[in-house]
Amino acid sequence: GDSVTQMEGPVTLSEEAFLTINCTYTATGYPSLFWYVQYPGEGLQLLLKATKADDKGSNKGFEATYRKETTSFHLEKGSVQVSDSAVYFCALISRGTQGGSEKLVFGKGTKLTVNP
Amino acid sequence: SQTIHQWPATLVQPVGSPLSLECTVEGTSNPNLYWYRQAAGRGLQLLFYSVGIGQISSEVPQNLSASRPQDRQFILSSKKLLLSDSGFYLCAWIRGSTEAFFGQGTRLTVV
Repeated sequence: GDSVTQMEGPVTLSEEAFLTINCTYTATGYPSLFWYVQYPGEGLQLLLKATKADDKGSNKGFEATYRKETTSFHLEKGSVQVSDSAVYFCALISRGTQGGSEKLVFGKGTKLTVNP
Repeated sequence: SQTIHQWPATLVQPVGSPLSLECTVEGTSNPNLYWYRQAAGRGLQLLFYSVGIGQISSEVPQNLSASRPQDRQFILSSKKLLLSDSGFYLCAWIRGSTEAFFGQGTRLTVV
């Protein structure tokens, strides 16, 4: 079935460091790709998304590009802040074998800690 | 507007007690609805999904069940909770193949 593989971490960085969290996927067809963020004690928030190949999603300084040829959607930020400390989930929405039974499949999450 | 509600936000239940978590959606009809669980320190695991009233698909065998009594209502239940049922439960609505909306989540602690 469809799956998402992301680096599990934990990742610890100093403030203003460059961040990359790798994400690759396996899916039939052309899924939509997402990055979600979960701050401590909170629910999931959409960080960014891309719905077709070569699309770049961006938000709050984070970016990710939908790479069909490498089936990847790596998350990057040029300069992280302490407030970026959270768990980041890569995910895809795949279309099921029956009409309408899409599934949202998550990676295992990567915990990021940014130290001042 | 389209929103998704989930309650309660937190719950502490004794082992062996029943469970009922409710999720409702506003502003749409015939939504595809999903229940996920996040155990402590782990990722989000799909438990159940439903594409319509009375239609439930289970992804993993477990101590839980789900029901879809109305078009915009999705309920997660258990007759007898286990310690291993503790975790963060999340209801989701997927619209088309490009958008997903989430409830606030329920943090369940079984004691």
